[in-house]
Order: sequence, then C-alpha cells, then structure tokens
Amino acid sequence: AQTVTQSQPEMSVQEAETVTLSCTYDTSENNYYLFWYKQPPSRQMILVIRQEAYKQQNATENRFSVNFQKAAKSFSLKISDSQLGDTAMYFCAFIGGNKLVFGAGTILRVKS
Amino acid sequence: ETGVTQSPTHLIKTRGQQVTLRCSSQSGHNTVSWYQQALGQGPQFIFQYYREEENGRGNFPPRFSGLQFPNYSSELNVNALELDDSALYLCASTVGSGWAPDTQYFGPGTRLTVL
Repeated sequence: AQTVTQSQPEMSVQEAETVTLSCTYDTSENNYYLFWYKQPPSRQMILVIRQEAYKQQNATENRFSVNFQKAAKSFSLKISDSQLGDTAMYFCAFIGGNKLVFGAGTILRVKS
Repeated sequence: ETGVTQSPTHLIKTRGQQVTLRCSSQSGHNTVSWYQQALGQGPQFIFQYYREEENGRGNFPPRFSGLQFPNYSSELNVNALELDDSALYLCASTVGSGWAPDTQYFGPGTRLTVL
C-alpha cells in the first residue's frame, strides 16, 4: 500500500525565520514523483514544489527547498525567510501512477 | 491561478438527494481526477478520467460516478447523498496518459454540505 505520513499536525514559526516540515512515504514503485502542496484558507490547492524520484538533486523553488532521502523514503520541506502569506495547511503527496496519495497535512502558522 | 475551474462554489443538499459537480480542466490537459477532502483531512482519490474513459478508481461506492466530455471537462455525480458526503470536492487536471506520474493542478473546489 502507498502511504504518506506527516508527523507534525501543527507548526509555528516567526516571520523571517526558517522552518522544516517532515514527510515520510511508503511505496514499492520505482518511478514516482513527490510534491508539496499548500492550501491556504481560500482552500485552493497550490503546488509548492515537486521532486522526481530518479533525480538525486534536491528541488528548489525560491524560498522553498526539499531534502529528498530516497533510501529513507523521506521528503521534508524547508521554508526560508518565512512570510505571513506562508500561513496555510501544507500537504505532502506522492504519485506513482494515476492517483495522488496525500498525507494528513501540517498546519503552518507564521507569526509576526 | 491554475486555469482549472469548478462549479458551483458551494452547495447545500439534503440526505437522499443527488448532486452534480462540474470541472473545467486547464487548457491542454486531457486527464481529470476527483478528490474528496473531509474537514481537517487530506484529499482522498475518488476516480480519474482520461480521454472520456474512467482510468482508475479509489475506495468509493458506485453511487459516486463521473463523466468526461470531448472538451475534457468533467462531472462528478453523487446519488443518494449521505451526511458523510459533506466535504470539499476537488478536481485536478494534468496532461498525459494517466498511467505516468505527473503534476496535477487543482481547481478551487466545491464545498458540499449535506443536511
């Protein structure tokens, strides 16, 4: 079975600081992608960053970067220089075929 | 903005009724997936349509059904509504065969409340 686990239900960070959200997954697939999605109170699911499993280099998108450890099946998200607009629910997700499997989410609150 | 649109935004129904939710995929995308997101939880896969054919289904009963049209827009139909069907329904589109992993882009969702 394919599962995604986010062990941190809630996180808080001060504005301008760095925070890391954790995610582990389980799959027997060889060809898969991993994603972090952000869902603000407006509820639109927004893609933050994606990582192809065959790439060893960690993905980076501006202030967002991942630490992808394939052997450990770990995929954490680091947010640098946190901004108030980063406040949202963050979902780690995996796709190894035609369906996304999501974790339960981590609520991130950025405080001023 | 992803270019994926959904209608209606909100919907209130009573138990036993039927509902149809609609999704227009992003331009160039031929694959649409539907997800159910209960309050405080991650989305759960309902099913996917690729070129008008169902291309995979999650653990949902047959009263959840769908269609995809030649323009790749899609409908989700739910019959005999139950209270537990109250949720945010998300559609996501992508381009490709559906069997290869790829990025899915989400619409804003339809909030369904069943009373």
